[in-house]
Amino acid sequence: GAGVSQSPSNKVTEKGKDVELRCDPISGHTALYWYRQSLGQGLEFLIYFQGNSAPDKSGLPSDRFSAERTGGSVSTLTIQRTQQEDSAVYLCASEGGLAPYEQYFGPGTRLTVT
Amino acid sequence: QKEVEQNSGPLSVPEGAIASLNCTYSDRGSQSFFWYRQYSGKSPELIMFIYSNGDKEDGRFTAQLNKASQYVSLLIRDSQPSDSATYLCAVGNTDKLIFGTGTRLQVFP
Repeated sequence: GAGVSQSPSNKVTEKGKDVELRCDPISGHTALYWYRQSLGQGLEFLIYFQGNSAPDKSGLPSDRFSAERTGGSVSTLTIQRTQQEDSAVYLCASEGGLAPYEQYFGPGTRLTVT
Repeated sequence: QKEVEQNSGPLSVPEGAIASLNCTYSDRGSQSFFWYRQYSGKSPELIMFIYSNGDKEDGRFTAQLNKASQYVSLLIRDSQPSDSATYLCAVGNTDKLIFGTGTRLQVFP
């Protein structure tokens, strides 16, 4: 596709359940980021994949959060035993434009934990 | 000290005026600088990038970079109400892209 896609667009889950969020980056882009944005707040970096290198997981808030990127393309962010404070918009960004670090964002997944 | 700092605003300007948005960064090794616009409820959208000291113009937008002062700014000429959004500064350092928390711009008619 022409841009970054994310699914689902909205997810409502009960506290304690696991959720999986998916990101399809722009074809050919080598780097992929996950961010979290709470209402009215800035972007919170979660994790960064670059090619075949080990991911930078320094932003993951707890061990309930994990992510993988299969075949250097699609990425899945998994949140185990969700908590109400996990409610936020989860944004994926694909990097690989003409400028170093040039990123393009997907539409996000709005997660609500009840 | 935050790696990328922006005034949260809101910055209020009248329609037709110049809006000036500012950003400072801490890593002198930073190589590339970006401005993103984020409308409420939407994801960030890339509007400008700049690598070299000086000015870069694109339509009503001008990005200004001063590496010696570790300062990057975005000027919006002839501001329109449709420019009302949060503007995020992002800096590519030696490792990855770092975002500021954004400045909320309000353009009133």
